[in-house]
Amino acid sequence: DSGVTQTPKHLITATGQRVTLRCSPRSGDLSVYWYQQSLDQGLQFLIQYYNGEERAKGNILERFSAQQFPDLHSELNLSSLELGDSALYFCASSVPLSGAGNEQFFGPGTRLTVL
Amino acid sequence: AQSVTQPDIHITVSEGASLELRCNYSYGATPYLFWYVQSPGQGLQLLLKYFSGDTLVQGIKGFEAEFKRSQSSFNLRKPSVHWSDAAEYFCAVGDGGQNFVFGPGTRLSVLP
Repeated sequence: DSGVTQTPKHLITATGQRVTLRCSPRSGDLSVYWYQQSLDQGLQFLIQYYNGEERAKGNILERFSAQQFPDLHSELNLSSLELGDSALYFCASSVPLSGAGNEQFFGPGTRLTVL
Repeated sequence: AQSVTQPDIHITVSEGASLELRCNYSYGATPYLFWYVQSPGQGLQLLLKYFSGDTLVQGIKGFEAEFKRSQSSFNLRKPSVHWSDAAEYFCAVGDGGQNFVFGPGTRLSVLP
């Protein structure tokens, strides 16, 4: 158990809909990362937040957005869903700039199926 | 910017055989290097990491990796593979700050 929690575990929805994925980082971790993992694209970095502020952006679509709240949990919002958005979405947390380096701890993921 | 390559998309070994998974990175300074494992339907679990010091690092589940600066490599090894090692393996490089990049992964299959 990494200490990172993600809800829900599974999500099935229809095209055009909007969903919200939730992530709670490990206690003390200030940074949250979101990744998308699909069969054809592999593990793709989407976005990173640090202590409530966006720090880095990867291959995140404009239909997707995220935020990190004062209690450090994060939400990833996916809207106007398409079939191709079906994937595993992982959240990871870390304490950047620490002496131990920015090792990331991963949650169990949310499996999104768009029908 | 950092980058990571894992030349082998899929490797098959027999149970009990030795294993080496290759990882090459590109980074201008001293990198922070990681190997993660992902079992089917699971999240990623850290196997081992290298920050500094001894270039041969030991990890969990009997894995080790060796950092070779001259070859920009951080290959993962295990002397005797078990059926439960079948999984996807990801190499990653970080700069100790905000930047962290994963390789494309190598899928390991283990024959009985």
